Amino acid sequence: EAGVTQFPSHSVIEKGQTVTLRCDPISGHDNLYWYRRVMGKEIKFLLHFVKESKQDESGMPNNRFLAERTGGTYSTLKVQPAELEDSGVYFCASSQFRDIEAFFGQGTRLTVV
Amino acid sequence: EDQVTQSPEALRLQEGESSSLNCSYTVSGLRGLFWYRQDPGKGPEFLFTLYSAGEEKEKERLKATLTKKESFLHITAPKPEDSATYLCAVRPYGNNRLAFGKGNQVVVIP
Repeated sequence: EAGVTQFPSHSVIEKGQTVTLRCDPISGHDNLYWYRRVMGKEIKFLLHFVKESKQDESGMPNNRFLAERTGGTYSTLKVQPAELEDSGVYFCASSQFRDIEAFFGQGTRLTVV
Repeated sequence: EDQVTQSPEALRLQEGESSSLNCSYTVSGLRGLFWYRQDPGKGPEFLFTLYSAGEEKEKERLKATLTKKESFLHITAPKPEDSATYLCAVRPYGNNRLAFGKGNQVVVIP
């Protein structure tokens, strides 16, 4: 069974540019989560999809971040325009049901210069 | 706000030297406590879920326990391949967010 897959693995962009991260969850997993780890800090929640609907987006830092999940399959997280403080590792996770463990992807390391 | 504190931050062990990692948590109501392992450059890998005080789970050289205020991850006779960062996370009642600690970085020396 394929795990959670994220693209790209690394991205270096200039301040003010746009970046789109993609996550392919495990097949059949309705729940999809985005998390972020900035340097020196713990992993923090960004948002939660159930199928194509945003269930909880309380962790999104500001309106420069836009997450979508078309058709309840893969998800994208767009940062526009990127700022220096957006640098970090962005993780995607998925689970079949809400109350059980989530499985994480390998992460996308975003560096804004 | 839900808080998770892990100690020690870093730990160096000789191969075969057993030890324990601590995860203290403050949460309005615990729906689940999770342990993950993370290797450099990779995402967190699921290890255990604990739901209620007194519960224990084991996998190879790892054993996780849970009380009302903390969880321990016991590493028995560790091997170099157990070197990793171990992450603790809690899921409270009322939402589906995981609140993570900063992790315990473990290095096992041959």
